[in-house]
Formats: sequence, structure tokens, C-alpha cells
Amino acid sequence: EAQVTQNPRYLITVTGKKLTVTCSQNMNHEYMSWYRQDPGLGLRQIYYSMNVEVTDKGDVPEGYKVSRKEKRNFPLILESPSPNQTSLYFCASSFYGEKSEAFFGQGTRLTVV
Amino acid sequence: DQQVKQNSPSLSVQEGRISILNCDYTNSMFDYFLWYKKYPAEGPTFLISISSIKDKNEDGRFTVFLNKSAKHLSLHIVPSQPGDSAVYFCAARFSGSRLTFGEGTQLTVNP
Repeated sequence: EAQVTQNPRYLITVTGKKLTVTCSQNMNHEYMSWYRQDPGLGLRQIYYSMNVEVTDKGDVPEGYKVSRKEKRNFPLILESPSPNQTSLYFCASSFYGEKSEAFFGQGTRLTVV
Repeated sequence: DQQVKQNSPSLSVQEGRISILNCDYTNSMFDYFLWYKKYPAEGPTFLISISSIKDKNEDGRFTVFLNKSAKHLSLHIVPSQPGDSAVYFCAARFSGSRLTFGEGTQLTVNP
């Protein structure tokens, strides 16, 4: 089954404690990205990657890191989480091309206290 | 700078009637537009799309209309069903796969 898998689904952590949210896709997609969803703001892109070892900032990259060492995986790293990073996070993947739809993971609900 | 805007946070319609969700954009470089549907506790799923060279695309009960001169697109659902109740996101892209999303509209279809 074609899918994007994120883990964990839910996470409560404390300020400053490094965490990683994993994302994996099995569709051989070149393009992967991370979004955060906040009330009234929709989905905002954090980082994206057009292929292995190629990553770039999205609209709200501050406080986040990513890596793309393998085509299928695109982890999101919060080196020192802060309460303003409490949000719902989505990973997405697609083929690279203007008519390509993006497939989303089920989301990770992160709470930073 | 919100380049894609959905001005209605919520919309309520009766089952069997038409639902019309609206989206405005400011960037004339956008050349491909998509609608996604999102249920609670799930990720968004692709619904329908339209290229900027067209003004209408239809898929079953769902039709998307694009008015380039007004920088406006709309999603029509007819007839609406209770299972259509979800948050709908409008998205736009140019130069490859970078998507810009609107704020979302919560559609509620009442039986």
C-alpha cells in the first residue's frame, strides 16, 4: 500500500529536549516536505527536499532541521524545542512535477511544555 | 504574506444541496491549483486539481472553477453528503512542487 508514515503520532516533551519526528514513504518520490498546521494559519511549509542530500527552507524554518540521506526518509529534528513549536505536523511526498499531487502522512501532534 | 486565502473559516449546508468553497490568491505566477480534504486525526488527502490553462475541471460530484482574471477559484460539491464534512484546503504551486496552502474551510453537511 502506497503511504507516508510518520512517527510518533503523539508526543509531549519539555522545552529544550531534542526530538526527532520520522517520516518514511514507499512511493519512490523525489520530493518530500514538512508542514505545520496551526489554527487560522492553515498548512505552512517548514522545509522541503527535492532529492537525496538536497534540502531547502520553506516558509517557517526557524527552530527546525532536516536531513535527506536516503530517498525514502525525511526526518524533522527539533534541536531545542520551545512551546511555540506546539503544533500538528505533517510530512508529505510527491513526484517532482507541476501536476503531481502530494501524499500526506497522518500527522504528529507535538506538545512542548 | 498570505498568498492563498480562504476567507470563510466555516460553511454549513444541508444534505443534498450544493456546497461552494472559495479561495483567492495573489501570486499570478501560480499555474496549478489543488484542493485537499482533511478529516480529524488524518492527513490531508488530494481531492481535485486544475491547471491554469483551464477554467473548469470536474470529477463526479466535485467541480473546481478557476477565474484567472479575478485570481479566484472555487470548489463545488453537489449534491453534498454528510461524509463530505471535513476541512478543505486550497493549495497553489508554481516552479515545481512547492505548494502554498490556504487557511482551510470547515464544511459541515447536515443530514
